[in-house]
Amino acid sequence: GAVVSQHPSWVICKSGTSVKIECRSLDFQATTMFWYRQFPKQSLMLMATSNEGSKATYEQGVEKDKFLINHASLTLSTLTVTSAHPEDSSFYICSAALNGQPQHFGDGTRLSIL
Amino acid sequence: DQQVKQNSPSLSVQEGRISILNCDYTNSMFDYFLWYKKYPAEGPTFLISISSIKDKNEDGRFTVFLNKSAKHLSLHIVPSQPGDSAVYFCAASASNTGNQFYFGTGTSLTVIP
Repeated sequence: GAVVSQHPSWVICKSGTSVKIECRSLDFQATTMFWYRQFPKQSLMLMATSNEGSKATYEQGVEKDKFLINHASLTLSTLTVTSAHPEDSSFYICSAALNGQPQHFGDGTRLSIL
Repeated sequence: DQQVKQNSPSLSVQEGRISILNCDYTNSMFDYFLWYKKYPAEGPTFLISISSIKDKNEDGRFTVFLNKSAKHLSLHIVPSQPGDSAVYFCAASASNTGNQFYFGTGTSLTVIP
């Protein structure tokens, strides 16, 4: 089946550091990629939707300048958490989809900001 | 505002019995629904889907039922197996919003051997 690779799986860094998370669709070209955030015992919250070659669409309350999304190709999207602070610590998951098909998820990135 | 709700955070079922996971939604525009299964430290895995033109979809041990008037869907797993122990998320979308899905908070299923 379709595979989405997300890297890194776990990152720990100091407050003020910028962190980049990669999301790759390995065996299909994703027209759309999504970035989610999950807090403990809560649902996946959609942060932004990105289509290849165009600007990401952010959900209400998500800071565009804080969470930079780049979708340079049909197989790669990146999320950069800029100047991360402890409150940004969370589990971030990406997904990729081809039109009309269910989303396929990466395994997530656990971000811990000290 | 939580548009998709899973009111049971956890469920325990004996092996071989039926597991029923429930999901309610508020947006009447939702017309496509998915169930995902998630193991710890892994991303969600697609399980089964249903569109609003159907009221039932079956795939092996997994059956999803949709009651549009009640804005309710359920996932039945029968017979339940220990390997089914995981967190199950339901998700819903409206066709006019493309692939944007709204997720429930998940139900943690434990199948007891």
